[in-house]
Amino acid sequence: NAGVTQTPKFQVLKTGQSMTLQCAQDMNHEYMSWYRQDPGMGLRLIHYSVGAGITDQGEVPNGYNVSRSTTEDFPLRLLSAAPSQTSVYFCASRKDRGRRKLFFGSGTQLSVL
Amino acid sequence: DQQVKQNSPSLSVQEGRISILNCDYTNSMFDYFLWYKKYPAEGPTFLISISSIKDKNEDGRFTVFLNKSAKHLSLHIVPSQPGDSAVYFCAASADNNDMRFGAGTRLTVKP
Repeated sequence: NAGVTQTPKFQVLKTGQSMTLQCAQDMNHEYMSWYRQDPGMGLRLIHYSVGAGITDQGEVPNGYNVSRSTTEDFPLRLLSAAPSQTSVYFCASRKDRGRRKLFFGSGTQLSVL
Repeated sequence: DQQVKQNSPSLSVQEGRISILNCDYTNSMFDYFLWYKKYPAEGPTFLISISSIKDKNEDGRFTVFLNKSAKHLSLHIVPSQPGDSAVYFCAASADNNDMRFGAGTRLTVKP
């Protein structure tokens, strides 16, 4: 039981490039989400999904795209990377609406030059 | 707008003493509160939580107190241990989809 797995752990992009951050969970959790962590800002919600085929925007969704085709996977796409997207990204999941304890992946450190 | 605030970026305590981490929130609709602990290069891990119908929840050395009228919660660690040195995040949710986090407090426990 691996929990929440994120890949890659580190990534450097040039401004304007696109890429996908991968997230997979093996706990059969309905709810999955993406956060970014910036100094002095805490963790801010980017997008979330309450089940396969259902996604919604969080606090800071601009510049990011998500899809949820399976229960297990929730990739985050950067459409055209900008230096302001330099951050640490965390994927998280929880069982369902009733249980609010989030399980986090180990993070992806992204630098946009 | 930052609806969850941790005003102390850092806290240093001596091993064996009490650590008190504070958190304030502005949204009166928040009804569930959590504390997460984060070590470097790892994701946050759940520590303890409290529902708004309670004012205290205890788990071993960790106790969370909630003061709804003041919109304030605190995490007490007694006794503090060097392994408790980490960044602690306070989180709150008003419904089941949107969880807001504070900026974190870095706790250092000195031997």
